[in-house]
Amino acid sequence: GENVEQHPSTLSVQEGDSAVIKCTYSDSASNYFPWYKQELGKRPQLIIDIRSNVGEKKDQRIAVTLNKTAKHFSLHITETQPEDSAVYFCAAPSRGGQGGKLIFGQGTELSVKP
Amino acid sequence: NAGVTQTPKFQVLKTGQSMTLQCAQDMNHEYMSWYRQDPGMGLRLIHYSVGAGITDQGEVPNGYNVSRSTTEDFPLRLLSAAPSQTSVYFCASSYSHGDQPQHFGDGTRLSIL
Repeated sequence: GENVEQHPSTLSVQEGDSAVIKCTYSDSASNYFPWYKQELGKRPQLIIDIRSNVGEKKDQRIAVTLNKTAKHFSLHITETQPEDSAVYFCAAPSRGGQGGKLIFGQGTELSVKP
Repeated sequence: NAGVTQTPKFQVLKTGQSMTLQCAQDMNHEYMSWYRQDPGMGLRLIHYSVGAGITDQGEVPNGYNVSRSTTEDFPLRLLSAAPSQTSVYFCASSYSHGDQPQHFGDGTRLSIL
């Protein structure tokens, strides 16, 4: 069935270092790959997304890369800051039923140490 | 715009009780969905709807019912609450299907005793 695998489940970095989170998906028809950030006790919020017609997208310190052949995509955060500490989720749509449904990865808890 | 509004924010139920979690959006979004969030399990899709009158099951639909009589509202019903349904529930909406940015509500923290 549809599946989105996310690694690692926890990640600890020093302030200023880079962080990379990877996801793989199973539905080859997926065409939209968002990343969400969830701070403790808050709602998930979209930070960046990419569509299948591009291989990379950048927004200041964050970037997402997509490899459709291998069916994986990654989130890159450079020059990490303590406020980047949060849980990050990837997601991918899966066709079926009445229309596309969005399936989330298990989440990565990122801790940035000052 | 209020965005996506969920009520209540917190609820405690006894096993076997029924309850409806409310979700409303004022963005004229066609797509709405319900997720539950448990530690280490991420966000798991319960049910979703691609428009008024159309609903479908997600990954973990058992024990939950939904209906979509209007574009704005998408309530989630627990017919007979079980301790395994203790979780944080998020409602989300987007312009179409699952391939658009999702707007989440603030969540409902539900405890079943």
